[in-house]
Amino acid sequence: KNQVEQSPQSLIILEGKNCTLQCNYTVSPFSNLRWYKQDTGRGPVSLTIMTFSENTKSNGRYTATLDADTKQSSLHITASQLSDSASYICVVIPTNSGYSTLTFGKGTMLLVSP
Amino acid sequence: DAGITQSPRHKVTETGTPVTLRCHQTENHRYMYWYRQDPGHGLRLIHYSYGVKDTDKGEVSDGYSVSRSKTEDFLLTLESATSSQTSVYFCAISEWDRTGINSPLHFGNGTRLTVT
Repeated sequence: KNQVEQSPQSLIILEGKNCTLQCNYTVSPFSNLRWYKQDTGRGPVSLTIMTFSENTKSNGRYTATLDADTKQSSLHITASQLSDSASYICVVIPTNSGYSTLTFGKGTMLLVSP
Repeated sequence: DAGITQSPRHKVTETGTPVTLRCHQTENHRYMYWYRQDPGHGLRLIHYSYGVKDTDKGEVSDGYSVSRSKTEDFLLTLESATSSQTSVYFCAISEWDRTGINSPLHFGNGTRLTVT
């Protein structure tokens, strides 16, 4: 069964600091990997989408990296802001798959403290 | 933001009663999905629809039914609510079911359902 494991489960950092969230997966082969941000009380919103052939993708202060050999992805947040406090969810998309077969990670809850 | 409205946003109901949650979209997307989100679990697919009156089961479909009589509306019904169905329910839409970069999955803001 395809699995997506995220670590840490939760994280507290001081405003202005950097942090890195991890995603390990067993999905193979896969077509793309996505990171979503979910604010409290809201639905997930896409942050980055990477194909299996990409190593890095940036979206402002968010940078996702992908190592297809080790089946690991990370999301790096630079100069954190209070508004970065949210849950971050990793999703790996199997090749030739529809959304009906996705496996979502459980998420990492990030709290940015002033 | 994609035009997705879920209603109600919050609901408390008693065990054994039927409950219907509504998802309305203004994007004219063909595919619609219902997920539930619980602590300690990732989002899990309940049912999905690939067109008007075309629906299929997801991973956790027991105790749920769906209907889609119009492109813009996708209803989720709990036939006889149980405490295990206390959860946050999310509707999502996509233009295509193929998970390409040009066909992102957009989520609504959820319905928090409590079954007492």
